[in-house]
Amino acid sequence: AQTVTQSQPEMSVQEAETVTLSCTYDTSESDYYLFWYKQPPSRQMILVIRQEAYKQQNATENRFSVNFQKAAKSFSLKISDSQLGDAAMYFCAYRRNNAGNMLTFGGGTRLMVKP
Amino acid sequence: NAGVTQTPKFRILKIGQSMTLQCTQDMNHNYMYWYRQDPGMGLKLIYYSVGAGITDKGEVPNGYNVSRSTTEDFPLRLELAAPSQTSVYFCASSYAGGSYEQYFGPGTRLTVT
Repeated sequence: AQTVTQSQPEMSVQEAETVTLSCTYDTSESDYYLFWYKQPPSRQMILVIRQEAYKQQNATENRFSVNFQKAAKSFSLKISDSQLGDAAMYFCAYRRNNAGNMLTFGGGTRLMVKP
Repeated sequence: NAGVTQTPKFRILKIGQSMTLQCTQDMNHNYMYWYRQDPGMGLKLIYYSVGAGITDKGEVPNGYNVSRSTTEDFPLRLELAAPSQTSVYFCASSYAGGSYEQYFGPGTRLTVT
């Protein structure tokens, strides 16, 4: 079974600075996808960024980028120029490319942004 | 598009009661999912469906049942509610396969006392 681990229950960053959230996963598959979801206090799950395992290039979405290390099974999220609206729970998720395509989530990291 | 809608938003059940959580999507997605999120935890898959008439168990299916008679609807049934089922329940949907994003509903907060 796949497992996803987020070792940082809470992180704090100063507004306008950069923060990195860690995620590791365990799988024997070679074809899979990784995601970072944001969950603000509203509870809505919002996709931040996704990475295909077969792509070596790290995904980037505006201020959000990932460091994908396939051999190390590591998938960290970097948030640049942090904004107050970035404060939320962040979940790393894994999806094997097969029928069902369900997500396996990590336990989450609560990000606080200080003004 | 309304996306994924869930009803109700909140519900309090007594131990032993039953209820159905409703989920509807208007994006013509084949795949639909039910997750639960316990306090301070990530989401865990309860059941999923790859199309009308096809359902399968996820990681934590005990105490729940689902059906999928149409592409749009994927209700989750709780039989004989227990305190351990106190959680926030999320429905999600996606196109089949690949890196397609799962779209989540707003969640239902359920308390069993």
